[in-house]
Amino acid sequence: EPEVTQTPSHQVTQMGQEVILRCVPISNHLYFYWYRQILGQKVEFLVSFYNNEISEKSEIFDDQFSVERPDGSNFTLKIRSTKLEDSAMYFCASSPSYEQYFGPGTRLTVT
Amino acid sequence: QKEVEQDPGPLSVPEGAIVSLNCTYSNSAFQYFMWYRQYSRKGPELLMYTYSSGNKEDGRFTAQVDKSSKYISLFIRDSQPSDSATYLCAMSTGNQFYFGTGTSLTVIP
Repeated sequence: EPEVTQTPSHQVTQMGQEVILRCVPISNHLYFYWYRQILGQKVEFLVSFYNNEISEKSEIFDDQFSVERPDGSNFTLKIRSTKLEDSAMYFCASSPSYEQYFGPGTRLTVT
Repeated sequence: QKEVEQDPGPLSVPEGAIVSLNCTYSNSAFQYFMWYRQYSRKGPELLMYTYSSGNKEDGRFTAQVDKSSKYISLFIRDSQPSDSATYLCAMSTGNQFYFGTGTSLTVIP
């Protein structure tokens, strides 16, 4: 059964550094999403992406964040100038319509 | 006012029990309703997805949506220890998605 994959599984970075989180969505899906989940808190929507552009973003998704689909398979989330409070699990999801399938997540630790 | 409210539990039941999980919401524009299961430090796994009011059944799971009351439920019949996880409700207008805080469920053998 196809599944969403994410790399790396764990990323440790120093405050102020840039990180790129990578996702490979399910191949025939058209909609892509990034979420974050701070430890012990709810899953929070960051951004949705369709037809090579952002279709919706939350208040969390400010100028510090950007997304790209650099080729036909990868979907990336870039976080510039990381802060301690960016430490969280970051989940990618893809969807053929409205039901979303999540990847296993990348645990980002900012020190 | 929170978009989605979900009792965090924890909920503990004996094996074989019927489990009822619930969420309420405030935004009448929500059209799509989902239930996910999340194991510790893993990604949410889609269990059920519904569009309209009414019931939808899949094996031991039944999802129920009452748009007039802004209330959704997930019922698990014949609960098993492997059902022990956090259950998340989620809903969408079609653009943004909102999750509940999750209910932690433990099924005791």
